[in-house]
Amino acid sequence: QSVLTQPPSASGTPGQRVTISCSGSSSNIGSNTVNWFQQVPGVAPKLLMYSNDQRPSGVPDRFSASKSGTSASLAISGLQSEDEADYYCATWDDSLNGYVVFGGGTKLTVL
Amino acid sequence: QVLLQESGPGLVKPSETLSLICTVSGYSISSGYFWGWIRQPPGRGLEWIGSSHHTGDTYYNPSLKSRVTISIDTSKNQFSLRLNSVTAADTAVYYCARITSRSRHEYWGQGTLVTVSS
Repeated sequence: QSVLTQPPSASGTPGQRVTISCSGSSSNIGSNTVNWFQQVPGVAPKLLMYSNDQRPSGVPDRFSASKSGTSASLAISGLQSEDEADYYCATWDDSLNGYVVFGGGTKLTVL
Repeated sequence: QVLLQESGPGLVKPSETLSLICTVSGYSISSGYFWGWIRQPPGRGLEWIGSSHHTGDTYYNPSLKSRVTISIDTSKNQFSLRLNSVTAADTAVYYCARITSRSRHEYWGQGTLVTVSS
């Protein structure tokens, strides 16, 4: 079981808007910033969003993210076929000595 | 351009030690940031292993802490992972990464598959 909870799957048709949720607790999302990663099968993960809602250079503005309390979400608007991938949320957890926790991942299918 | 490359044996026997090296180019490890390891068992999600700073500050996943050591060699611009007493459950693709801020893994290696089997 992952410390952060994500839905195992999500889907949408081209052009649609989809959202992926990430639920945590006060020791992780509640007190630290959230990052999102995109992973195409067989390839290393790529940083997609950081510091809750910031896009790295080169990431299309179709991608957005937010955080509220102990939950975060990733939104993809104008869905495209190349968005089909696995998406992971991650943050720091203050418990014990502190460590990084990942969500279990959400497989996005573009129908 | 920051590049990371993992290297090490692709096959390790049960109960032995898994050892990997991550070679960094385009950035000097001694200039800062944390350097970490993440793994992904076949068909499963990402699991954070730990990270280290050249000053010696190190953090580990509590579930692996008793078996893991991450160390940095600034003279070679490399950092390494040692995982003791491996079992089949440690079979995974192992990634190294540069961590800009806490969990912001900004640059990743391509990953290397390590299989634990006799």
